[in-house]
Amino acid sequence: AQSVTQPDIHITVSEGASLELRCNYSYGATPYLFWYVQSPGQGLQLLLKYFSGDTLVQGIKGFEAEFKRSQSSFNLRKPSVHWSDAAEYFCAVGLNYGGSQGNLIFGKGTKLSVKP
Amino acid sequence: DTEVTQTPKHLVMGMTNKKSLKCEQHMGHRAMYWYKQKAKKPPELMFVYSYEKLSINESVPSRFSPECPNSSLLNLHLHALQPEDSALYLCASSQVRGRGGEKLFFGSGTQLSVL
Repeated sequence: AQSVTQPDIHITVSEGASLELRCNYSYGATPYLFWYVQSPGQGLQLLLKYFSGDTLVQGIKGFEAEFKRSQSSFNLRKPSVHWSDAAEYFCAVGLNYGGSQGNLIFGKGTKLSVKP
Repeated sequence: DTEVTQTPKHLVMGMTNKKSLKCEQHMGHRAMYWYKQKAKKPPELMFVYSYEKLSINESVPSRFSPECPNSSLLNLHLHALQPEDSALYLCASSQVRGRGGEKLFFGSGTQLSVL
């Protein structure tokens, strides 16, 4: 069955430091992969997505993610974190077959805190 | 306009009340979604409408009744809810109900408390 695992529940980084959030997926076909960000009490905003092509994907707000098929991973990175990046980050797989086509399966999320 | 607007932002209701959540988008999107998000949990899909027709119902209890009166509006009618239904209810839209790669635009949600 398809699933998404975000191993880190909570990560704290210092402002200006680099960031990597981990995501592993389980899916039978080539997946659509997404990273969404959610600020407290708000909806989700798409940071980036991957389906095919270049395995390094650029997104908004200076984020990028790398798809590694051999590791079933899609980790999110940012070279220098800003205080405004503090939020909850969700990795998701988009289902592309069957009756649930178009549905997103979300990981449990990683909460990012930023120290000044 | 790239917004999905949800009203109300907060709602407190008793278990015998009837209330409705409203969602509106003017991006010409033909797929609209309701998600439920409990505290510190990821969103869970409830319903998907495609071209104003219900296409996915993720085994949601009948006390939640969705309605899509036109391509811009999505309602969620609530009746006889339970305290465990307290959650953030998120509406989203996409251009179409695609093959898994569609970008979803989310509203800010309605924070529902059932007493």
